[in-house]
Amino acid sequence: SYEPTQPPSVSVPPGQTARITCSGDVLAKKFAYWYQQKSGQAPLLVIYEDSKRPSGIPERFAGSNSGTVATLTISGAQVEDEADYFCFSTDIDDNHTGVFGGGTKLTV
Amino acid sequence: QVQPVESGGGVIPPGGSLRLSCVDAVIGVRTYAVHWVRQAPGKGLEWVSLISDDGKKKFYADSVKGRFTISRDRSSDTIHLEMHSLTREDSAVYFCARSAYSNAYYYMDVWGKGTTVTVSS
Repeated sequence: SYEPTQPPSVSVPPGQTARITCSGDVLAKKFAYWYQQKSGQAPLLVIYEDSKRPSGIPERFAGSNSGTVATLTISGAQVEDEADYFCFSTDIDDNHTGVFGGGTKLTV
Repeated sequence: QVQPVESGGGVIPPGGSLRLSCVDAVIGVRTYAVHWVRQAPGKGLEWVSLISDDGKKKFYADSVKGRFTISRDRSSDTIHLEMHSLTREDSAVYFCARSAYSNAYYYMDVWGKGTTVTVSS
């Protein structure tokens, strides 16, 4: 199986836009999901099916998928958005086997 | 939201076995598929296993295939992960997560807080 590629770290000043990418050929055929994990906590789903936002997730979180690159965009990033972000997708041959990207540490 | 609750973690010597459990009070209301995901110390997330809502379909990551077995006990709304032939690389926090299912995809929706497995002599 493959692992989607994420940058190890992204840093933005508060109020600016943060963009975190997730790259892999499989994303041309599969949905991307995004999880936020703050230090010492369980992950939290922030984007599903490329661009949908679960209830309770602030509107500043948005997702897109251009084919081989999925992007999580946080518009007007807040200090409380500082966390690790992981993209997730499924194996190219099987929707039941999952795979995470390596994770991106967002510093705000 | 009501979270799943994991238990069963501990310190186990290499080559040993351990059974993790996940209790989800919501499962009694509607049966969900359930994932196990792990995170080694200071590392990223690794998807481990998935069991379908009816317990008939089970899927595993290559790294645990043949060593781990997922099962569900409907009478107690509990999901189990039996782990055998453990190595130091299996040391991690193990999270149980209720699955959502949409457009033929399973993905982790609500996560438990995790239980820690340490493989050490």
